[in-house]
This record gives sequence, C-alpha cells and structure tokens, in this order.
Amino acid sequence: QQQVKQSPQSLIVQKGGISIINCAYENTAFDYFPWYQQFPGKGPALLIAIRPDVSEKKEGRFTISFNKSAKQFSLHIMDSQPGDSATYFCAAHNNAGNMLTFGGGTRLMVKP
Amino acid sequence: ETGVTQSPTHLIKTRGQQVTLRCSSQSGHNTVSWYQQALGQGPQFIFQYYREEENGRGNFPPRFSGLQFPNYSSELNVNALELDDSALYLCASSLTGQETQYFGPGTRLLVL
Repeated sequence: QQQVKQSPQSLIVQKGGISIINCAYENTAFDYFPWYQQFPGKGPALLIAIRPDVSEKKEGRFTISFNKSAKQFSLHIMDSQPGDSATYFCAAHNNAGNMLTFGGGTRLMVKP
Repeated sequence: ETGVTQSPTHLIKTRGQQVTLRCSSQSGHNTVSWYQQALGQGPQFIFQYYREEENGRGNFPPRFSGLQFPNYSSELNVNALELDDSALYLCASSLTGQETQYFGPGTRLLVL
C-alpha cells in the first residue's frame, strides 16, 4: 500500500507552544521521510527529513521522531511562532518508483 | 543557484481543451517529477522524467503526458480537460540517486 495517513487535519497552538503532527504508513519499502511546509499560493518547501535507521532528527526548532516498528513518525515544532502558520505535509519516498507519497496535510495556526 | 521555476502561474481553460505547463529544474538536477494538488489535499504523483523518458507514473490516465528536454526542463500536457483537473500542478526536481525533491511554486489551473 502507498497510503500515508496524517493527523490532525488542523491544529491551533499558542505562541511559544509545541506543535505536534503525526503520520503513519504501511509500506515498509518507504526509505526516506521528508516534511514539507506550504504557504498559501506557494509550492511545498522542504523542512526536515529522516531515514528509517534513525529514531530522531533535530534541526533548530523542528524535530522528527521516527518509530520504525510502529511505522509512525511525527514532527514537533518547539516554541511555535505565528510565522510557522502554514500547511504541513509529511511524505514518504519509495525507492522503487522514486516517488513521494504525501499525507493529507495539517493546517497549523499559531496564535500570537 | 537557481530554484525550480514554473510557467504560467495561473491558467484558465474550458472543458475539452488542452493545456501545456512548463518547468525548469533546479541547476544541476536531472530528474523532474510532476504532482497534482487538489484544493485542501496533499500532492499526488503524476509521473517522473529522467534522461528524457518517463521513469515512473502514478494513477493518472494517458491524457496526462509529458516531455523532458536535453537541458532537463520539462512539460506537462493534459488533453481533453475535465472539471476535476482544476488543481495546483507542481513540478519537483532532484538529482538521480537522491531522494530529496525540491518543488516549484506551481501552476494554478482552473477548468470551467
């Protein structure tokens, strides 16, 4: 199966809080898991990515946690800022087709 | 380094017409992938081009076709447009053997 399930669909967080977005997948052939940030009217921009042999990756305020046995991964945004308000997509790369399968997206709003 | 560019930014067509969308890949990238993003959804893989040939295809009918040129730029052609083809069409470039894909700003297509 190629599906990637993402939750929640929308999220409201206070400035300074932690935003957490979760994704789950079925296909064990996925070998690379990027997160993209998309602002209205723009294309997705790569935020951070992880490979399945690593359990956690941190870049600034953004952290990916990866649970290979549960086939789940999540994005944590620490000290969330109003400028982080955007739609976030998790994705999974299938080396067989060299394609990305995206989750449905999470619309994040960070309130000042 | 030049990022991924797409043209036009917006396009309005009527049902049954044909459309051509264009993409210039990021400098040095030799692989181009096309995605369709319906409103409120994640991008869906259409196909990928490498060495001027189709190198993988998603679940899209044959009226979606493409080209890649020697300079790695690419075109997406859609024939016999349907109302459901209204979407943001995204082009992403990458380097063969690397999973990271970088997206352009997209072309917003409206079919009336």
